[in-house]
Formats: sequence, structure tokens, C-alpha cells
Amino acid sequence: DAGITQSPRHKVTETGTPVTLRCHQTENHRYMYWYRQDPGHGLRLIHYSYGVKDTDKGEVSDGYSVSRSKTEDFLLTLESATSSQTSVYFCAISESRLGDTQYFGPGTRLTVL
Amino acid sequence: QQQVKQSPQSLIVQKGGISIINCAYENTAFDYFPWYQQFPGKGPALLIAIRPDVSEKKEGRFTISFNKSAKQFSLHIMDSQPGDSATYFCAASNSGNTPLVFGKGTRLSVIA
Repeated sequence: DAGITQSPRHKVTETGTPVTLRCHQTENHRYMYWYRQDPGHGLRLIHYSYGVKDTDKGEVSDGYSVSRSKTEDFLLTLESATSSQTSVYFCAISESRLGDTQYFGPGTRLTVL
Repeated sequence: QQQVKQSPQSLIVQKGGISIINCAYENTAFDYFPWYQQFPGKGPALLIAIRPDVSEKKEGRFTISFNKSAKQFSLHIMDSQPGDSATYFCAASNSGNTPLVFGKGTRLSVIA
């Protein structure tokens, strides 16, 4: 998985609780992305980062926030989890150009009860 | 909204047959078209990619065909094998300017 780890790999939480997912890369790639994958919807971009402290919204950013304080770490936070945020979350990285080849992490399966 | 439309949603092919998955896009500024393969429980992995300066790219049993005027591109898997059973995603971007936009995926099952 191209030097990308995600933690936790599985999480079950309750509606209304905050949740933070972590993506860590050892490739020193500039760009990092968070996607969610749901049946029938494919991969949808939540947020992405083009450098430390530089982030932008994707297609489905409502209810999510991100932070990138170090090149290697990109955090996704659900401030108050809802059942509609039950999904598999993937982190991805790309080296030097937005929209270029992306390498994906192993995913985090999140269940919100 | 930028879109990439992928078809079919699911595909069953006999071992040894040809699997064909199609994608269409709208944004003529797109200049990078990758295909990703995903096995259950794993993240997507780059399979093959093409840029619009060529109409076809082949890597082993996998071929991308690209039709710029029709704004379509397709993945052909020759001599399909049970190990090819996976979900395939097409994607597109204006590389350097926009993130990848993914199709909704095709679940391929290759049966013996």
C-alpha cells in the first residue's frame, strides 16, 4: 500500500460522538486525499491537502473536517458522527501533481450506530 | 459537476473470455485517465493509465482504448481469469489542476 497506513482499521461508534481517522505516509508525497466508498457510489472525495496546513473541500465535505500539521499525517474528523457517515474511508497520496496517479491506503471501516 | 460515467455496474465473464468496461466523461480538459483495481478488503490499486496523446495502451492482458472525439475510454481484459475478479474503477482528471474523479465502479466476476 505504497507506505500508507490508516488507523484505526475498524471502528464502531455511536451517533453524536466525535471521530478522528488518521492517515500516515512515509513517501513524502505532497498531496493527500480522503475518500469514502459506499455501494453504488464508488469513491467520493471528501477533502484533500496540497501541503502542510493547505486543504480544500471535495465533493462530499459536509460534516467532515481535516487537518495536516505535518507532511506525513492527514487527519479526518467527524465532529458529530451520524449514521449516514457509516462507510469505508480511504486515504490516498500523490507525489507532485494534483490529479496525478494516486496510491491508496488499506481503508478504515467506520460504523456509526 | 464533473462526472465520469462507468458501465456496466456488474459483469460476469467466462474464464478465457474478454471483459470490457466502458467510461464516458464530459470535461474536455481532462488529460489523465487511469484505471484502478480493487479486491475485497483492500484499497484500490493503479492498474493502467493513459493520456490523450495515444489511442491505445496495452500492458499484458490489459488494454485501454481511448476515443477523444467521443469522450470515451474503455478497459479490455483479454483471456480473463478468476483472479481478475475484482471491482474496477475508471477515473479522470485535469492533472495538475483537479483531483481525480472516479466512476462508480464495475464488479467483475470471472467464472470457470
